Amino acid sequence: EAQVTQNPRYLITVTGKKLTVTCSQNMNHEYMSWYRQDPGLGLRQIYYSMNVEVTDKGDVPEGYKVSRKEKRNFPLILESPSPNQTSLYFCASSLGGGQYEQYFGPGTRLTVT
Amino acid sequence: GNSVTQMEGPVTLSEEAFLTINCTYTATGYPSLFWYVQYPGEGLQLLLKATKADDKGSNKGFEATYRKETTSFHLEKGSVQVSDSAVYFCALSPRAGGYQKVTFGTGTKLQVIP
Repeated sequence: EAQVTQNPRYLITVTGKKLTVTCSQNMNHEYMSWYRQDPGLGLRQIYYSMNVEVTDKGDVPEGYKVSRKEKRNFPLILESPSPNQTSLYFCASSLGGGQYEQYFGPGTRLTVT
Repeated sequence: GNSVTQMEGPVTLSEEAFLTINCTYTATGYPSLFWYVQYPGEGLQLLLKATKADDKGSNKGFEATYRKETTSFHLEKGSVQVSDSAVYFCALSPRAGGYQKVTFGTGTKLQVIP
């Protein structure tokens, strides 16, 4: 089954404790992205990757890091989480830009206290 | 830059009512337009799309027509069901080659009551 998986689905952590949210896709997609969803703000892109070792900032990259060492994986790293990073996070992948749809993971609900 | 404006929600309808969710966009050139749906507790999934002017996307009884002259892509359904309760996102993707950022609207929550 073609899918994007994320782990964990739910995470409660404390300020400053490093964490990683994993993302994996099995569709051999070139493009992958991370978004955060907040009430009233819709989806905002954090980082994206066009291929292995190629990543770039989206609209709200501060406080986040990513890496793309393998085509299928695109982990999101919060080195020192803060309460304003409490949000719902989605990973997405696509064949390309333009007409190609994005496939989304199920989401990770992160709470930073 | 590009932008997508959706009508504010929530929208509450009775079952079998007619649905319209407005979406207008600002972009240069001819972007591709999408509607994504997010059911409770799930990620977004593609509902329909249109890639050029006057195209009509359709799926599961939902329709939207790409109107270049009014820069709009309104979502419609003739008779909603309780199972259509979800959040709907309008989005655009520029046509130009290489990676181009997808721009999403803020989402419109639809609640359908029996």
